[in-house]
Amino acid sequence: GAGVSQTPSNKVTEKGKYVELRCDPISGHTALYWYRQSLGQGPEFLIYFQGTGAADDSGLPNDRFFAVRPEGSVSTLKIQRTERGDSAVYLCASSLTPSDTQYFGPGTRLTVL
Amino acid sequence: LAKTTQPISMDSYEGQEVNITCSHNNIATNDYITWYQQFPSQGPRFIIQGYKTKVTNEVASLFIPADRKSSTLSLPRVSLSDTAVYYCLVGDRIGWQKVTFGTGTKLQVIP
Repeated sequence: GAGVSQTPSNKVTEKGKYVELRCDPISGHTALYWYRQSLGQGPEFLIYFQGTGAADDSGLPNDRFFAVRPEGSVSTLKIQRTERGDSAVYLCASSLTPSDTQYFGPGTRLTVL
Repeated sequence: LAKTTQPISMDSYEGQEVNITCSHNNIATNDYITWYQQFPSQGPRFIIQGYKTKVTNEVASLFIPADRKSSTLSLPRVSLSDTAVYYCLVGDRIGWQKVTFGTGTKLQVIP
């Protein structure tokens, strides 16, 4: 079946703008995760959803970052008032249950000018 | 969360076996060891997971000594396409636990 997909693959925006990044998990996977990866670093956890609810959002850096998963499938990561430091690759992953292997999407490369 | 330590980088010639060792001195009883592979411009890809002794699949082998304080990912006869970053993760498979990737080991396969 299809893997995790993310759109767009690349996003260039200007400082101060609002962006939305979308993740389509593997069908049937109840758990969904967002990570952020800066150049030369490993992925850094942002938020974890179990179903529709955010079960752990302790990785979100500040209140400019917000994520939703209204129907327990597709998720959107929203970043307000973007800053240059937000530039990174944003990765989404999903797993059948929280204790199962996570499968990653290709990521969205966000560039804030 | 058990912290992991692995070499920052390794070089290997094509056709050689590559062993990447990860230290996890504080591994807990319920923790499993998982390895991911990441190519440039792609998300990490699951390679192998184990709890103790040896696990083998079509891609790699994972060796875990009795004390479980370290583990070794073994890639047989590497090719140029195995050039990637390899991450060692340790975590409890029972319920949710935040995953910490670290900086991984950058493997460069040389022709």
